[in-house]
Amino acid sequence: AQSVTQLGSHVSVSEGALVLLRCNYSSSVPPYLFWYVQYPNQGLQLLLKYTTGATLVKGINGFEAEFKKSETSFHLTKPSAHMSDAAEYFCAVSQRTGANNLFFGTGTRLTVIP
Amino acid sequence: EAGVAQSPRYKIIEKRQSVAFWCNPISGHATLYWYQQILGQGPKLLIQFQNNGVVDDSQLPKDRFSAERLKGVDSTLKIQPAKLEDSAVYLCASSLGGTSVNEQFFGPGTRLTVL
Repeated sequence: AQSVTQLGSHVSVSEGALVLLRCNYSSSVPPYLFWYVQYPNQGLQLLLKYTTGATLVKGINGFEAEFKKSETSFHLTKPSAHMSDAAEYFCAVSQRTGANNLFFGTGTRLTVIP
Repeated sequence: EAGVAQSPRYKIIEKRQSVAFWCNPISGHATLYWYQQILGQGPKLLIQFQNNGVVDDSQLPKDRFSAERLKGVDSTLKIQPAKLEDSAVYLCASSLGGTSVNEQFFGPGTRLTVL
């Protein structure tokens, strides 16, 4: 069975500060890994994904994430937070074979303080 | 390119009433998903269609929820009768194919409130 844990339901950072959102997964086989962002009253938008190859993945809006198999983690980072980054962020996993259902974490709400 | 369309955006009903949601996926997308997102939680898959066939409905409460995608394009999700715990945002998503590497594109969702 797969599961996703996002540590910290709320994270606050100052504008210009480093953003770090944590995600750990539990799976017998390393899954595909995703980060989605959800702005108020909008659907989810894919930020980035890891399927294979380079473990450091770059996404949209300056975000990146690193797959660390030994730590079963896929933390999301951005060097400098912008006010427009305020949103809810979801980590998700999908198994590599069979059905491609996404299993989401509970989300982390990012607040950016001016 | 038009995104995934959903209607209505908001719906308020009383418990035991019926409600239906509509989704029109991105043109050419064979796979369609319905997710339920309860406040404070991540989305949970209810049902997945590949064209007009059901791939996975293991998490769909079939005693009250039903979904169809008759012509392999748009889809409806119905709840009959609704319970208080059905209050949630119902998200529709679509992708080109059924493999995980295909990005899922999400609609804006329908926010259901059951009183």
